Amino acid sequence: DGGITQSPKYLFRKEGQNVTLSCEQNLNHDAMYWYRQDPGQGLRLIYYSQIVNDFQKGDIAEGYSVSREKKESFPLTVTSAQKNPTAFYLCASSKTTGNSYAGELFFGEGSRLTVL
Amino acid sequence: AQSVTQPDIHITVSEGASLELRCNYSYGATPYLFWYVQSPGQGLQLLLKYFSGDTLVQGIKGFEAEFKRSQSSFNLRKPSVHWSDAAEYFCAVGPFRGQGGKLIFGQGTELSVKP
Repeated sequence: DGGITQSPKYLFRKEGQNVTLSCEQNLNHDAMYWYRQDPGQGLRLIYYSQIVNDFQKGDIAEGYSVSREKKESFPLTVTSAQKNPTAFYLCASSKTTGNSYAGELFFGEGSRLTVL
Repeated sequence: AQSVTQPDIHITVSEGASLELRCNYSYGATPYLFWYVQSPGQGLQLLLKYFSGDTLVQGIKGFEAEFKRSQSSFNLRKPSVHWSDAAEYFCAVGPFRGQGGKLIFGQGTELSVKP
């Protein structure tokens, strides 16, 4: 079955460490997204990518980095510069290409990061 | 600026009762509107979407939503709630010209169901 796989599901980090969250999709979608979820704040966009080797900052990109070397993969690195990294992180994808919208977002199961 | 407001943070209904979750949006053009549901610790699942045409849209699990342009609203309804409907519900709007397919989400409404 096609879908989005996020790993790990739970991750613990010490302050000052960088961590990378994995996101892989086999839906053949062009666009991929990373959202952060905190209680009572909904989902906030961190980064998105419409095509391989290109990505754009979202609303809360500070302290995060991404890469898009393959269509299927969009890993997110939470750096030590992120002041409050404890959160639930959701990866999503869609068929859209550029300004041509083709469908809704499909989400992975999420990764919960806790900073100790 | 584009935004989505869900006025109710938490709603409790009795099993078998009707449900309406409110969503208001701010968007200059014709919006695409979505409702997603999330169980604790899980990802989001699409319930329904509005792109164009009939303003009353049907979704999965017996949910429906009505788009009212004059009120900038897209409220979610279900005639009879089941205990398994307890979850968090998110309204979203998008996409935005030049910004790919990203969506803007409301803060969410947590639904509790009383037996």
